[in-house]
Amino acid sequence: EAQVTQNPRYLITVTGKKLTVTCSQNMNHEYMSWYRQDPGLGLRQIYYSMNVEVTDKGDVPEGYKVSRKEKRNFPLILESPSPNQTSLYFCASSLSAGGSYGYTFGSGTRLTVV
Amino acid sequence: GQQVMQIPQYQHVQEGEDFTTYCNSSTTLSNIQWYKQRPGGHPVFLIQLVKSGEVKKQKRLTFQFGEAKKNSSLHITATQTTDVGTYFCAGPGRGSTLGRLYFGRGTQLTVWP
Repeated sequence: EAQVTQNPRYLITVTGKKLTVTCSQNMNHEYMSWYRQDPGLGLRQIYYSMNVEVTDKGDVPEGYKVSRKEKRNFPLILESPSPNQTSLYFCASSLSAGGSYGYTFGSGTRLTVV
Repeated sequence: GQQVMQIPQYQHVQEGEDFTTYCNSSTTLSNIQWYKQRPGGHPVFLIQLVKSGEVKKQKRLTFQFGEAKKNSSLHITATQTTDVGTYFCAGPGRGSTLGRLYFGRGTQLTVWP
């Protein structure tokens, strides 16, 4: 089944403890992206990658890191999480930038930083 | 920077009533996409519009792309409880921002039986 898999689905952590949210897609998509969703603010782009080893900032990149060493994986790293990073995170992928064929989203990761 | 605005933020309708959400971009778009997110779920791609003035239908859903390719609408005829969710429009960036996909804040639809 074509899908984007995120792990974990839920995570509660403490301020300052480094964490990684994994994202993997099995559709051979060139493009991958991370979004965070907060009530009333919609989906805001954190980082995106147009291909392996190519990443760029979105609207809200501060406090996050990403890497794209392989086509299928695009992990999101929070080096020192803070409470304002408590949010619902979505990974998405698409055949190409601009989502000409639509974005496929993962099921989401609900992160709470205390 | 590029912005995509969407109204209304909330819409409550009785089952059987119609529903419309409107999307407006600050810049001309190469395409516009619509997504639906059910409560507790993730956004799911519905459709993409590319041509100026384009109209597409999916059963009770009608999508329109404006002549200037800066606005779009989604109309649902005779809503059902299965239509509940948040509807997002999204438009891609251009040139140096090609990798960006800008989402509206969404319209949350509630349908009363």
